[in-house]
Amino acid sequence: AQTVTQSQPEMSVQEAETVTLSCTYDTSESDYYLFWYKQPPSRQMILVIRQEAYKQQNATENRFSVNFQKAAKSFSLKISDSQLGDAAMYFCAYRSAELGGTSYGKLTFGQGTILTVHP
Amino acid sequence: DGGITQSPKYLFRKEGQNVTLSCEQNLNHDAMYWYRQDPGQGLRLIYYSQIVNDFQKGDIAEGYSVSREKKESFPLTVTSAQKNPTAFYLCASSLTGTSAPYEQYFGPGTRLTVT
Repeated sequence: AQTVTQSQPEMSVQEAETVTLSCTYDTSESDYYLFWYKQPPSRQMILVIRQEAYKQQNATENRFSVNFQKAAKSFSLKISDSQLGDAAMYFCAYRSAELGGTSYGKLTFGQGTILTVHP
Repeated sequence: DGGITQSPKYLFRKEGQNVTLSCEQNLNHDAMYWYRQDPGQGLRLIYYSQIVNDFQKGDIAEGYSVSREKKESFPLTVTSAQKNPTAFYLCASSLTGTSAPYEQYFGPGTRLTVT
């Protein structure tokens, strides 16, 4: 079974600064997807960014980018120019892409990292 | 607007009663999922369904039941057998297939309190 670990229960950053959230995962599969979701105080889960394991290029979405290290099974999220609205709980998630596998389609989540943004 | 709706937002029940949480989507997604979230924790998968009239147990299915009679709807029943039912419940949906990441889209959640 796959596992996802977020080793930072809480992080804080000053507004306009950069912060990196860590995520590691364990899998024996070669084909999978990784996601970062944001859960603000409203508790609505919002997709921030996704990465296909077969792509070497790191995904980028505006101020959000990832550092995907497949061999190290590491998937960190970098938030640049942090804004007050970035304050939320961030979840790293893994999804198998191997058709027919028992885990196909299911998301496995990490425990989450609470991000505080100071003005 | 396309999306996922969950109702009600807050639900209160007495211990020993079954309760059904609603989840409806108009995204034309094949797959639907139910997750449970406890305070300060990640999401744990309860049940999921990849197609109408078929569903599979997730990691914590004991004390829960589901049905998938329509593509748009995936209700979750929390039975009296669930020992710790008080939690935040999230429903999600996604497309299925092998050629895309097919991320999951989430509803706003239902906070269930059982006393």
